[in-house]
Amino acid sequence: EDKVVQSPLSLVVHEGDTVTLNCSYEVTNFRSLLWYKQEKKAPTFLFMLTSSGIEKKSGRLSSILDKKELFSILNITATQTGDSAVYLCAVVGAGSNYKLTFGKGTLLTVNP
Amino acid sequence: ETGVTQTPRHLVMGMTNKKSLKCEQHLGHNAMYWYKQSAKKPLELMFVYSLEERVENNSVPSRFSPECPNSSHLFLHLHTLQPEDSALYLCASSQDNRVRGLNEQFFGPGTRLTVL
Repeated sequence: EDKVVQSPLSLVVHEGDTVTLNCSYEVTNFRSLLWYKQEKKAPTFLFMLTSSGIEKKSGRLSSILDKKELFSILNITATQTGDSAVYLCAVVGAGSNYKLTFGKGTLLTVNP
Repeated sequence: ETGVTQTPRHLVMGMTNKKSLKCEQHLGHNAMYWYKQSAKKPLELMFVYSLEERVENNSVPSRFSPECPNSSHLFLHLHTLQPEDSALYLCASSQDNRVRGLNEQFFGPGTRLTVL
């Protein structure tokens, strides 16, 4: 059974800090890893990673995948209060073309 | 707005009621999903429809009954639910890409369901 573990489970920082969120996984025949941000309701898509060592960036957010060590990190620089959310990591394995296996998420709180 | 809408946004029902959740996607996708999100638990996949055919059913109790009349609409029919079924029910859609096996899903805002 595919498994995703995120750490830390929660994190409190001040505006301007840089944070690193971790996601480790065990999956049969890895296909892709996805990061989502969930504020009040709908998770919103951030990144999809399929190849090791290639950083994806979007503004202050960036993410990278290590397929050898089976983990990914999500970095947020110069955090703002609007970054407060639950960040979800999910993986897709070969067992199903459709099934995302999610971690429990990291609750990030950015204080002014 | 992600292009996926859900109604109602909140629902309170008794254990003997029958109700339905509705999801509509405006993204031209061909796969739709129902997820359940309970407090402090990972998102749990319930059902997947691809090209209007159910392709995943993750051991969900029969009191939940999905329906996908076309590629843009998805329903979840509820009957004789239990209080432990109270949760946020999220709908998602994606473009089924069987060759590449990638799966970027777009989520709706969810229906907050409370079963009394």
